[in-house]
Amino acid sequence: ELKVEQNPLFLSMQEGKNYTIYCNYSTTSDRLYWYRQDPGKSLESLFVLLSNGAVKQEGRLMASLDTKARLSTLHITAAVHDLSATYFCALSGGSNYKLTFGKGTLLTVNP
Amino acid sequence: EAGVAQSPRYKIIEKRQSVAFWCNPISGHATLYWYQQILGQGPKLLIQFQNNGVVDDSQLPKDRFSAERLKGVDSTLKIQPAKLEDSAVYLCASSRTGKTEAFFGQGTRLTVV
Repeated sequence: ELKVEQNPLFLSMQEGKNYTIYCNYSTTSDRLYWYRQDPGKSLESLFVLLSNGAVKQEGRLMASLDTKARLSTLHITAAVHDLSATYFCALSGGSNYKLTFGKGTLLTVNP
Repeated sequence: EAGVAQSPRYKIIEKRQSVAFWCNPISGHATLYWYQQILGQGPKLLIQFQNNGVVDDSQLPKDRFSAERLKGVDSTLKIQPAKLEDSAVYLCASSRTGKTEAFFGQGTRLTVV
């Protein structure tokens, strides 16, 4: 059974600082997603990572994938308040490609 | 392109009552998912449809939950009877195939009192 662990689960940071969210998973997977969820809202897809060494960047967020280590990271550069949200990693695997989610990281960026 | 539509947005019921949620996926998306998201946790897959057939319902509590997708488009998820622990957000998602990116609806927040 695929298990997905994120850490930290809670992250409070100051504007302008950098930080990294980690996503470890237990078995090989087809692809890895990062989603953002604002309070009371649905999930918004941020990145899809398909292969070892994949790196994608959008604004202040950069995601990478190391399939050998079964690790993905979401790096936040010079955080701003608008990035406050919960971030989930999710892996697609198995014959039906179902998504298995981590518990999420609640990010709070303080002015 | 319209997104995944869900209704109602909010529902409060008493335990042992029944409730139904509706989902209309993105046009042309063959795969439809229902997820349960309990407060503070990641979404958990309840059931996955490919067209109108069930692909995975291994985590669906079948003694009280049921779902259907009769014409391969809209879907309904029903809980009968509801328990307190069913309080959660129920998210519907769809994708072109199971392998491609899933898009999520806004969810239905269920509170069982």
